[in-house]
Amino acid sequence: DAKTTQPPSMDCAEGRAANLPCNHSTISGNEYVYWYRQIHSQGPQYIIHGLKNNETNEMASLIITEDRKSSTLILPHATLRDTAVYYCIVRVEQTGANNLFFGTGTRLTVIP
Amino acid sequence: DAGVIQSPRHEVTEMGQEVTLRCKPISGHNSLFWYRQTMMRGLELLIYFNNNVPIDDSGMPEDRFSAKMPNASFSTLKIQPSEPRDSAVYFCASSLRGTGGYEQYFGPGTRLTVT
Repeated sequence: DAKTTQPPSMDCAEGRAANLPCNHSTISGNEYVYWYRQIHSQGPQYIIHGLKNNETNEMASLIITEDRKSSTLILPHATLRDTAVYYCIVRVEQTGANNLFFGTGTRLTVIP
Repeated sequence: DAGVIQSPRHEVTEMGQEVTLRCKPISGHNSLFWYRQTMMRGLELLIYFNNNVPIDDSGMPEDRFSAKMPNASFSTLKIQPSEPRDSAVYFCASSLRGTGGYEQYFGPGTRLTVT
């Protein structure tokens, strides 16, 4: 699986968009980009995933560059409850092996 | 939906004792995962099951750890004998294999303290 690189920490003002970058320069053609987050003392929570196209759901948007070597998770209007560690994961879609590798992630702090 | 259920939520035990952690996955999910999280090592996959069958247990630290999934609605992670270095938060997660996604749903975790 491709390795990912994320900044260790970021701050964002409440109500503003939070843009969390992820570098995955060695990603291969059949690897998806996944984002999870972990709020303090809770289990990780799935946010969104994508392959090539940008994706949006009720939680966030995922922007993947055309060369797929990097992506950005966007929380359009960050709230204090979005303070968490955000993990960017790349993984091949295999029905027989769907384990995830969580790196160190980005600790996002939303500031009032 | 009830979500993934884990018990106990907190466990304090003495070194050498047997510890059993329990997990009930989301109904209908056919993959189950056990993770361990510590400050030093982060979140590590220990073992996962597909259709109640262990697929990859390479993350199990040593023979003191064992996991079972006797049916689709229940799994256990056992540590015998426990050691202080086993202190961690243990998470169980489940997913629906074959959906093409890695949308794993995590339980609240069991915080284990071995003294």
